[in-house]
Amino acid sequence: DQQVKQNSPSLSVQEGRISILNCDYTNSMFDYFLWYKKYPAEGPTFLISISSIKDKNEDGRFTVFLNKSAKHLSLHIVPSQPGDSAVYFCAASVRAAGGTSYGKLTFGQGTILTVHP
Amino acid sequence: ETGVTQSPTHLIKTRGQQVTLRCSSQSGHNTVSWYQQALGQGPQFIFQYYREEENGRGNFPPRFSGLQFPNYSSELNVNALELDDSALYLCASSLAEANEQFFGPGTRLTVL
Repeated sequence: DQQVKQNSPSLSVQEGRISILNCDYTNSMFDYFLWYKKYPAEGPTFLISISSIKDKNEDGRFTVFLNKSAKHLSLHIVPSQPGDSAVYFCAASVRAAGGTSYGKLTFGQGTILTVHP
Repeated sequence: ETGVTQSPTHLIKTRGQQVTLRCSSQSGHNTVSWYQQALGQGPQFIFQYYREEENGRGNFPPRFSGLQFPNYSSELNVNALELDDSALYLCASSLAEANEQFFGPGTRLTVL
């Protein structure tokens, strides 16, 4: 049962253009969402996150949008740079009662982003 | 500030053997989570340790076990290795009250 899905295995974008990575989830209990970037031979690097009480969070070139009714989130990278080429994972979690994170992250399968110069 | 470190980087074992993987958490982090990432898949949650006790477990059999030490470092032990255990094992540290987890570079385990 894949609770978090990234339906696009790969995405190719020209340098300077926008990259849009998509993620869908099925578990309505998820209330915190994260994006990670992973280079070969390295662990995932945290990029940006969003709580379910928000619909947008921005950090520099990265913006995450959350549509709770559609159970969909997306990561926008503007402008895209060749150094952004990596595998991008979305992840979701359920906060334990009292606001403390239970800590289990459920990941999608990843999308390989290639940014061409 | 030291990030999350893992050892060894690579490991080759044969079916039926036992393996221990090690993780040092990021400075100040008191919670450690372990994940298994098979080729072409996203990381799968194995378990989490907080204050030296298991604080949640994913869908992994009991032959996957762990420890957390007073300095918050952690070990993942896998007994009776199977071919399907071949994967990248990732350790992530965090503060208990935070959602963001910070990952180490992983240990690539190959079971022959």
